[in-house]
Amino acid sequence: EAQVTQNPRYLITVTGKKLTVTCSQNMNHEYMSWYRQDPGLGLRQIYYSMNVEVTDKGDVPEGYKVSRKEKRNFPLILESPSPNQTSLYFCASTETGGLNEQYFGPGTRLTVT
Amino acid sequence: KNQVEQSPQSLIILEGKNCTLQCNYTVSPFSNLRWYKQDTGRGPVSLTIMTFSENTKSNGRYTATLDADTKQSSLHITASQLSDSASYICVVSDFSGGYNKLIFGAGTRLAVHP
Repeated sequence: EAQVTQNPRYLITVTGKKLTVTCSQNMNHEYMSWYRQDPGLGLRQIYYSMNVEVTDKGDVPEGYKVSRKEKRNFPLILESPSPNQTSLYFCASTETGGLNEQYFGPGTRLTVT
Repeated sequence: KNQVEQSPQSLIILEGKNCTLQCNYTVSPFSNLRWYKQDTGRGPVSLTIMTFSENTKSNGRYTATLDADTKQSSLHITASQLSDSASYICVVSDFSGGYNKLIFGAGTRLAVHP
């Protein structure tokens, strides 16, 4: 089954404690991205990757890092989480090209206290 | 500034009734427009994708329209079901960078009551 998986689904942590949210897709997609979703706002792109070892900033990259060492995996790293990073995070993947469907993971709800 | 605005913010309808959700955008250059359905606690799932040359596209009981001249789109849901309760997100794509940069609306939260 074609899917994007994320782990963990829920995470409560404290300010400053480094964490990683994993994302994996089994569709051999080149393009992957991370979004955050906050109440009353549309999804906002954090980082994206057009292929292995190719990453770039999205609209809200501050406080986040990513890596793309393998095509299927695209982890999101918060080196020193802060309360304003409390949010719902989605990983997504797609084939490159104009009309290809973007597949979203199930989401990771992060709370930073 | 590229923006996607949706209305209404929320909507309550009775099961079996029809409804229409609105989307206005100022994204340029325009590549395509998508409607997604997002169930609570889940990732968005694509309903339709339209290019500027398409006026309407259907997916079962969902019909999306696009007027590229006025930069407006609508999503019409026919004979609503309880399972239609979800957020509906309008997304406009800017392909100027060689990839689909998606600009998301904040969504319309639809509740279908029995």
